[in-house]
Order: sequence, then C-alpha cells, then structure tokens
Amino acid sequence: SYVLTQPPSVSVAPGKTARITCGGNNIGSKGVHWYQQKPGQAPVLVVYYDSDRPSGIPERFSGSNSGNTATLTISRVEAGDEADYYCQVWESSGDHWVFGGGTKLTVL
Amino acid sequence: EVQLVESGGGLVQPGGSLRLSCAASGFTVSSNYMSWVRQAPGKGLEWVSVIYSGGSTDYADSVKGRFTISRDNSKNTLYLQMNSLRAEDTAVYYCARAHHPDYFDYWGQGTLVTVSS
Repeated sequence: SYVLTQPPSVSVAPGKTARITCGGNNIGSKGVHWYQQKPGQAPVLVVYYDSDRPSGIPERFSGSNSGNTATLTISRVEAGDEADYYCQVWESSGDHWVFGGGTKLTVL
Repeated sequence: EVQLVESGGGLVQPGGSLRLSCAASGFTVSSNYMSWVRQAPGKGLEWVSVIYSGGSTDYADSVKGRFTISRDNSKNTLYLQMNSLRAEDTAVYYCARAHHPDYFDYWGQGTLVTVSS
C-alpha cells in the first residue's frame, strides 16, 4: 500500500515561514490534501488538490507538489497555527484514503 | 450549514460490539461518499470505511469482516456496526464527507470508543 512520510515535528518562530513536507513515491502524480488538527478537535481541511484553499482558510496557507515530495507552506506563522498537520492522498486500490503520520507544528 | 454529529461511543469489552451513528444535516448522505476515520490516542488518522453514493461499501484491511458501514436515507444518518472489537480498535471515530472521492471536506466532532476489560 502507498506510504506517506512526514517529519514528526517542525518548529518555527512567529512571523516566519513553516514548511511541512510529505514524501511518497512519485507523489507529484497524485492530488495531495492537507488537514490541520488542534488538540481535542476534528481535522480541518486547509489545502486540497496540492494548492487550493477552502473558503475561510487564510492565504498564508499554500501548497506545492512535485516529484516525490509535497509541501505545505505556512507564511507569517501565528501562535494559533500550532497544531498537527496531516497530508493525505486517495488511492484507487487498497486503503483508499491514505494519511501521512502527521507533523506537530510548534510555534516558538 | 453542513453538520455531522456522531454518537454511540463508549466502553466495551474485547470481543464486544458497538454501533456508532452520525447524523447529518445541510446535505443528503445518500448523494455523497461518506466515511469513518479513526484516531487512536496520541496517534495519526486512519481511514476505516466508506459507503459510496451508489450504496457499495469498502473497508480498511484492519477492520474488514468485523465492521459494517450502512446508512438510513430516511434519517439522513450514517452508521458503523463494530463487532469482535479489539484493544487496538480504541480510538476517536470521526464520520466525514468525502469529496468524490479525493478528500474529506466536512468532519464530525468524533466519538470515543474504548475497548478494555
């Protein structure tokens, strides 16, 4: 089955840029989606189809996808961005909705 | 406004059964792909099951043969019947609407299932 690999943690100072990666075999050929999950809350979709944002998600959240790595970029990081972030792809066979292991973003 | 509200979680002994419900509002369950996703304590997200708009179903290998997903169109409600529960099934279970099929655009608040003696 398809495997997505994320770093367990990323730290960033307020106002700086955070980049969270998601690695997978030829992931650039797939649509990658990103979720934000704060403690005790359900996940929230923040980026879909690599780089699109749902309504209500700040422009500070952006995404890219090429080769074997997809990246979620959060610009001008705020304290409220501290959360776990998960990447996800859809597979036509096997476990259809595949999630990465998650990355804990810490705002210093 | 789209809303998903889960219920039915609780404490159950290994080998026991539990049925989760997810009441939807703001859209029609039967016209969408509806899934269950779970999260073990301190762990990541794991897809569990889907019921497609046509009524067919699919399951993760970890629950195949033990869990059954269904829906009641008259109640606009999604269900997950969980049998032969194991300690490793302990998790918060979320219902979520899938955007044909790719990603989950709406999630419920989750319901905790604890399998323990």
